[in-house]
Amino acid sequence: SQQGEEDPQALSIQEGENATMNCSYKTSINNLQWYRQNSGRGLVHLILIRSNEREKHSGRLRVTLDTSKKSSSLLITASRAADTASYFCATVVSGGSYIPTFGRGTSLIVHP
Amino acid sequence: EPEVTQTPSHQVTQMGQEVILRCVPISNHLYFYWYRQILGQKVEFLVSFYNNEISEKSEIFDDQFSVERPDGSNFTLKIRSTKLEDSAMYFCASLREFSSYEQYFGPGTRLTVT
Repeated sequence: SQQGEEDPQALSIQEGENATMNCSYKTSINNLQWYRQNSGRGLVHLILIRSNEREKHSGRLRVTLDTSKKSSSLLITASRAADTASYFCATVVSGGSYIPTFGRGTSLIVHP
Repeated sequence: EPEVTQTPSHQVTQMGQEVILRCVPISNHLYFYWYRQILGQKVEFLVSFYNNEISEKSEIFDDQFSVERPDGSNFTLKIRSTKLEDSAMYFCASLREFSSYEQYFGPGTRLTVT
């Protein structure tokens, strides 16, 4: 399966600390996306990184992609209580379906 | 900011009954999707829809499921004869351009089959 698998499953930190979540996948990808899901809500697209990119930034978010290791990481700097949510990576395979395949997510709790 | 809306937010139905879940995608988007998420599990793709027809579907999307865009704004998912295992959150998503990959998700409909 080419789905992403996030690690850790759960992460608990204090406000102001950085949060790092990892995603591993199995086959060649066109792009990898990160989404946030607040409890009981829909997914919100955070950032997309294409297979020929190594790093992208968006505000306090930093995403890296290592295609040789088939892994990606999402770093949230200076976390806030409002960052408490589940974070999912989703992979779009190269040369195949354009449908993103989601992992099981990392549940992040940021304590005020 | 435009957003995808879904109704109802929560639907309770008895096993064997038909349900219709409704979505209003963002108005200038061309691609539409349904996903489901069983409690505590990953988001699973059901079906994609473009130009008034299904473009792709997963193995979950069997004959009991159907989709329709009846009036150019609503996008519906029908489950003909619900089963207990259909209980899940159902998310609608829309996409403006295929190359952008950025899908906009609705808030979801929680379907409970008793």
